[in-house]
Amino acid sequence: DAGVIQSPRHEVTEMGQEVTLRCKPISGHDYLFWYRQTMMRGLELLIYFNNNVPIDDSGMPEDRFSAKMPNASFSTLKIQPSEPRDSAVYFCASSSNIRYEQYFGPGTRLTVT
Amino acid sequence: AQSVTQLDSQVPVFEEAPVELRCNYSSSVSVYLFWYVQYPNQGLQLLLKYLSGSTLVKGINGFEAEFNKSQTSFHLRKPSVHISDTAEYFCAVSEGGSEKLVFGKGTKLTVNP
Repeated sequence: DAGVIQSPRHEVTEMGQEVTLRCKPISGHDYLFWYRQTMMRGLELLIYFNNNVPIDDSGMPEDRFSAKMPNASFSTLKIQPSEPRDSAVYFCASSSNIRYEQYFGPGTRLTVT
Repeated sequence: AQSVTQLDSQVPVFEEAPVELRCNYSSSVSVYLFWYVQYPNQGLQLLLKYLSGSTLVKGINGFEAEFNKSQTSFHLRKPSVHISDTAEYFCAVSEGGSEKLVFGKGTKLTVNP
């Protein structure tokens, strides 16, 4: 298995631009999670899905952030418009509820200038 | 609300020395507990988990952790560390079987020759 796949690995954009991060979970996993990691705030859960349905989006910082999961093999996290304070590493993770183990992707390092 | 406290942000040790990374949690209900490791520029990888049963849990790479309900702790230990154990370690908790994880701020373990 290829594991959780995220793209792009690095993204540099200017303030005000739209940013879209992509994630392909492990096949057969029915949970998908989006996290943000910063030095100041650590690892924060933004939103998670079960069977493509958003279950908890209480961690989404504001309306500029949105996430979708149109099918079991793909999810996006979109920031529009982006701001410098959105600079962070964004991780996607997936799990199967049989084992309570989350498998993390390699992350996308976002820099907003 | 559940929370996780990792008491040490940085732990330097010499190679072949024992190490303990401390983790305390707060929760009013039963919990599942996890330790993850993050190597530089990578995603998180599960080291071990406690769901139920024996309070001493063994994980990968020679690590183990002990669940202490009365002290609400889940400390991670290794009797003899290697240079390759240099990484950041995260303790996490989920409440009542929820798939949602709350992570601590992490402990950076540096193993020196």
